[in-house]
Amino acid sequence: AQTVTQSQPEMSVQEAETVTLSCTYDTSESNYYLFWYKQPPSRQMILVIRQEAYKQQNATENRFSVNFQKAAKSFSLKISDSQLGDTAMYFCAFMKPPQIQGGSEKLVFGKGTKLTVNP
Amino acid sequence: KAGVTQTPRYLIKTRGQQVTLSCSPISGHRSVSWYQQTPGQGLQFLFEYFSETQRNKGNFPGRFSGRQFSNSRSEMNVSTLELGDSALYLCASGSSYNSPLHFGNGTRLTVT
Repeated sequence: AQTVTQSQPEMSVQEAETVTLSCTYDTSESNYYLFWYKQPPSRQMILVIRQEAYKQQNATENRFSVNFQKAAKSFSLKISDSQLGDTAMYFCAFMKPPQIQGGSEKLVFGKGTKLTVNP
Repeated sequence: KAGVTQTPRYLIKTRGQQVTLSCSPISGHRSVSWYQQTPGQGLQFLFEYFSETQRNKGNFPGRFSGRQFSNSRSEMNVSTLELGDSALYLCASGSSYNSPLHFGNGTRLTVT
């Protein structure tokens, strides 16, 4: 079974600074997907960024980037130029590739990191 | 395109009752998954439906059930409610091999 560990329950950062959230996972699969989701107080889970394990290049989405270390099973999220709107719970998640076109496999989530961006 | 819609947003029930939650996926999405979120256990997978068939099921008792209709809308039912069923229930829909899951705003269930 897959497990996802987020070792930082809470973090804070000053506006405009950079912060890195840690995530490690355990799996025997060779191909899989990794995600970072953001959950603000509105409760909706919002996809921040995703990484496919077979791609060596680290994913980047505007101010968000990941450091994917497959051998170390590490998947950290870097937020640059932090904004007040980045305040939220951040969840790291693992998913095996869907077995059928259009279907999806279960997401295995970490416990989350509560990020607060201070003005 | 409208997002994933979950109704109702809030529910208060008493122990022993049953409850039905509804989820309308993004138009064209055939896969619907359900997750339970609690402070203690975090986010846990309940089940996934694809084309009206349950393909995957998490480790939850039989009191938790679901179904999917031909228009891909899904319902989740919890019977004989227990206090521990109080949680945020999230629904997510997906469309293709390379598409991430899109989540709704969730239904907050409180069991008293």
